[in-house]
Amino acid sequence: EAQVTQNPRYLITVTGKKLTVTCSQNMNHEYMSWYRQDPGLGLRQIYYSMNVEVTDKGDVPEGYKVSRKEKRNFPLILESPSPNQTSLYFCASSVRRELRNTEAFFGQGTRLTVV
Amino acid sequence: AQSVTQLGSHVSVSEGALVLLRCNYSSSVPPYLFWYVQYPNQGLQLLLKYTTGATLVKGINGFEAEFKKSETSFHLTKPSAHMSDAAEYFCAVTYSGGYNKLIFGAGTRLAVHP
Repeated sequence: EAQVTQNPRYLITVTGKKLTVTCSQNMNHEYMSWYRQDPGLGLRQIYYSMNVEVTDKGDVPEGYKVSRKEKRNFPLILESPSPNQTSLYFCASSVRRELRNTEAFFGQGTRLTVV
Repeated sequence: AQSVTQLGSHVSVSEGALVLLRCNYSSSVPPYLFWYVQYPNQGLQLLLKYTTGATLVKGINGFEAEFKKSETSFHLTKPSAHMSDAAEYFCAVTYSGGYNKLIFGAGTRLAVHP
């Protein structure tokens, strides 16, 4: 089954404790992206990757890191999480780099709480 | 800067009634428009998209949307609401020329009452 898998689904952590949210897709997609969803703000892009070893900042990259060492995986790293990073996070992938003619496939989300 | 505005963060309809969810965009270049749906505890799923051509676009589950350039709108409709339509709906836009992100509206939560 074609899917984007995120882990964990739920995470509660303390301020400053490094964490990684994993994202894996099995569709051989070039493009992958991370979004955060906050009430009243919709989804905002954190980072994106157009292919292996090619990543770039989105609209809200502060406090986050990513890597793309393999085509299927795109982990999101919070080196020193803070309470303002409490949010619902989504990983997405699509077959082509330009999104206008393609569908983005989303993972089920990771609900992160930083206390 | 490009943006998307969804009017109404919450919309409530009766089962069988018309569903109308509003979306307006701001853009200086031709947009490509999408509606996504998010069911509880799930990721986003594509409902429909407008790229070029016919301005009335049909999607899954009986939804459709019409691109109106003069009004910069892309409203989502369904003639008859079903209980299973209760979800959050997001309008999103992207552009040509190597643009690599979707810009989302704030979302509209649809409630359907018996």
